[in-house]
Amino acid sequence: DAKTTQPPSMDCAEGRAANLPCNHSTISGNEYVYWYRQIHSQGPQYIIHGLKNNETNEMASLIITEDRKSSTLILPHATLRDTAVYYCIVRVINAGNMLTFGGGTRLMVKP
Amino acid sequence: GAGVSQSPSNKVTEKGKDVELRCDPISGHTALYWYRQSLGQGLEFLIYFQGNSAPDKSGLPSDRFSAERTGGSVSTLTIQRTQQEDSAVYLCASSLGSGDNSPLHFGNGTRLTVT
Repeated sequence: DAKTTQPPSMDCAEGRAANLPCNHSTISGNEYVYWYRQIHSQGPQYIIHGLKNNETNEMASLIITEDRKSSTLILPHATLRDTAVYYCIVRVINAGNMLTFGGGTRLMVKP
Repeated sequence: GAGVSQSPSNKVTEKGKDVELRCDPISGHTALYWYRQSLGQGLEFLIYFQGNSAPDKSGLPSDRFSAERTGGSVSTLTIQRTQQEDSAVYLCASSLGSGDNSPLHFGNGTRLTVT
């Protein structure tokens, strides 16, 4: 699976949009981009995933650049409960195997 | 519906003892994964089950670690002769299958402390 690069930490003001970047410059055509987050003392929580089109669900939006070498997870109105470590992961289509987690971005939402 | 359930939530054991950790996946999920997370570290893949296929054991750190999945549902991770470096949170996840891109859903883990 392609390696991802994320900033180790970010701050965001409560109520503002949180934009979390991820670089995956070596991504191949058969790899999806997944985002998970881990709130302290809990297991990772699935947020969203996409291949090449932008995606939106009740939690977040995922913007993938046209060349697919980077993406941005957007939390439109961050709350204190969104404070967590956010992981960007690429996964081969139909790989039948595990996700490989990197270091992630520690997002701190501040009042 | 219920999510992935793991038990116990916490386990303290003495060095050298064996431990068993249990995972109940989401009903209907055919793929099951075990990970561990040491304090302040990322997630480390251990083992993966898909249906009746032979499990992918490539992440198991030593032969003291083993896992089984009975009836394609519940899984047990066993650590024999525990060592202090085995202390970690052991996380289980399940997904609908492996031939699609269905996301993994994680439990809240078992925190293992080896004294």
